[in-house]
Amino acid sequence: DSGVTQTPKHLITATGQRVTLRCSPRSGDLSVYWYQQSLDQGLQFLIQYYNGEERAKGNILERFSAQQFPDLHSELNLSSLELGDSALYFCASSGVGNTEAFFGQGTRLTVV
Amino acid sequence: AQSVTQLGSHVSVSEGALVLLRCNYSSSVPPYLFWYVQYPNQGLQLLLKYTSAATLVKGINGFEAEFKKSETSFHLTKPSAHMSDAAEYFCAVSDLGYGGSQGNLIFGKGTKLSVKP
Repeated sequence: DSGVTQTPKHLITATGQRVTLRCSPRSGDLSVYWYQQSLDQGLQFLIQYYNGEERAKGNILERFSAQQFPDLHSELNLSSLELGDSALYFCASSGVGNTEAFFGQGTRLTVV
Repeated sequence: AQSVTQLGSHVSVSEGALVLLRCNYSSSVPPYLFWYVQYPNQGLQLLLKYTSAATLVKGINGFEAEFKKSETSFHLTKPSAHMSDAAEYFCAVSDLGYGGSQGNLIFGKGTKLSVKP
């Protein structure tokens, strides 16, 4: 158990809909990262938050957004969903200073 | 731009045989390099990392990797494979090298390791 908790584990939704994925980082970790894992694109970094502020942005679509709350949990919002958004979405967290990231078990999103 | 190339999307070995998973990187700055393992239906677990200290890095579960700057490689090895090693393995480089965050990673496409009895 990495200590990073993601909910829900599975999500099935229709095209055009909006969903919210939630991540609770390890206790004390200030950084949260979101990744997308798909068969065609592999593992891709989406976005990083550090102590509530956006720190780095990767290949995140404009239809996607994220935020980190004062209690340090984070949410990834995916809107106007398309079939191609079906993927495994991982959250990871890391501690103060430059330390390695610990990954959650992921949320599997299926868009039908 | 940094990148990682993993040679071989599938590797099959017999139990007890040497495991060698290949990774080459491209980076304009000194890199931080990582190997992660993903078991079926699970998240990524860090096996080991290189952050500019010793070039031979030992990780969990008997794995190790050697950083070779001249070959831009960071291959993962284990002397004797076990059935429980069957998983997908990912090599990754930290974006922006030493100045970058260890969680901001560029991953290779992964290598699935099968272990035959």
